[in-house]
Amino acid sequence: AQTVTQSQPEMSVQEAETVTLSCTYDTSESDYYLFWYKQPPSRQMILVIRQEAYKQQNATENRFSVNFQKAAKSFSLKISDSQLGDAAMYFCAFSEGGYSTLTFGKGTMLLVSP
Amino acid sequence: DTGVSQDPRHKITKRGQNVTFRCDPISEHNRLYWYRQTLGQGPEFLTYFQNEAQLEKSRLLSDRFSAERPKGSFSTLEIQRTEQGDSAMYLCASSLAVMETQYFGPGTRLLVL
Repeated sequence: AQTVTQSQPEMSVQEAETVTLSCTYDTSESDYYLFWYKQPPSRQMILVIRQEAYKQQNATENRFSVNFQKAAKSFSLKISDSQLGDAAMYFCAFSEGGYSTLTFGKGTMLLVSP
Repeated sequence: DTGVSQDPRHKITKRGQNVTFRCDPISEHNRLYWYRQTLGQGPEFLTYFQNEAQLEKSRLLSDRFSAERPKGSFSTLEIQRTEQGDSAMYLCASSLAVMETQYFGPGTRLLVL
């Protein structure tokens, strides 16, 4: 069974600074997908970024980028130029290729201070 | 309609009662998923549908839980004889196809007294 581990229950960052959220996963599969989802307080979960395991290039979406280390089974999220609106719970998630259900980590609460 | 909707948003019930939740996916999405999220945890997969067919059920889905998706449109999740341990946020998500992005609804928060 796949597992996803987020070792940072909470992280803090100041506006305009950069923060990195960690995620490790365990799988014996070679074809899989990794995701970061954001869940603001009392609001619905939205996709931040996704990475296909077969792609060597790290995914980027504006201020959000990932550091995907396949051999180390590590998938960290870097948020640059942090904004107050980035404050949320961030979940790392995994899905096997061709098998679309998601396995989530426990989440990291990101606090952003002015 | 631009997103996944769920109804009700909140439900308080007494132990032993039955409850039913509804999820309306994004209209052209043929895959629909149910997840459960307890406090301090990430969502856990319950079941999913492709069109009207229920393709997989998690071991978390005891025989008190049943889900349907008639005509491949909206879905309902029913919990019979609710227990306090059923208190959680129930999330619905939909996607256009396998491995496409899952879009989540706002969830139904259930409290069993």
